[in-house]
Amino acid sequence: KAGVTQTPRYLIKTRGQQVTLSCSPISGHRSVSWYQQTPGQGLQFLFEYFSETQRNKGNFPGRFSGRQFSNSRSEMNVSTLELGDSALYLCASSLRGSGTASHNEQFFGPGTRLTVL
Amino acid sequence: GESVGLHLPTLSVQEGDNSIINCAYSNSASDYFIWYKQESGKGPQFIIDIRSNMDKRQGQRVTVLLNKTVKHLSLQIAATQPGDSAVYFCAESPLFGGFKTIFGAGTRLFVKA
Repeated sequence: KAGVTQTPRYLIKTRGQQVTLSCSPISGHRSVSWYQQTPGQGLQFLFEYFSETQRNKGNFPGRFSGRQFSNSRSEMNVSTLELGDSALYLCASSLRGSGTASHNEQFFGPGTRLTVL
Repeated sequence: GESVGLHLPTLSVQEGDNSIINCAYSNSASDYFIWYKQESGKGPQFIIDIRSNMDKRQGQRVTVLLNKTVKHLSLQIAATQPGDSAVYFCAESPLFGGFKTIFGAGTRLFVKA
């Protein structure tokens, strides 16, 4: 069974640009969460999508947005990039909410390394 | 996923010894806790979880202990191996409904051969 895939793996952008990152969850997983990982702030929750609806949101500005498609694939977008947005962006998928109470485990992808110059 | 903190707490153990990684959490209402392992260049990998109605759970070579009184979580790794070298994160999340996982700062484990 294929794991969570994220594209692209590496990205370089300049300040003021916008970027879209993509995540394909494990087949059958309907919950997709996004996290930002930086050396200074560690791993921080951005948002979670389930069945095309945002179910939870972290404390990030509105420049960070996301969406989920009917096939559970998800994208996140960051507009008006700032230097501080340089980070590893991780996506995780889970069976949680798919009718089986015991499926709490999140499976993470390898991440997209975004560098803002 | 290679660098997750310039000043991560570090634990160095000899191969074959037991490792204990500690974590404090702040939300007394948290009802679900997870330990993750992150190796260089990879995303976090689930190790073991525990619900708040338990105080101990064992897996293969790993044990998680939960002390709700002092809001403390620990991960014990038995017979530590070089492949256990990684950054370990504790995390808390609601048990039901959507995820809103809050991660700890992480601890870097070095295993000396």
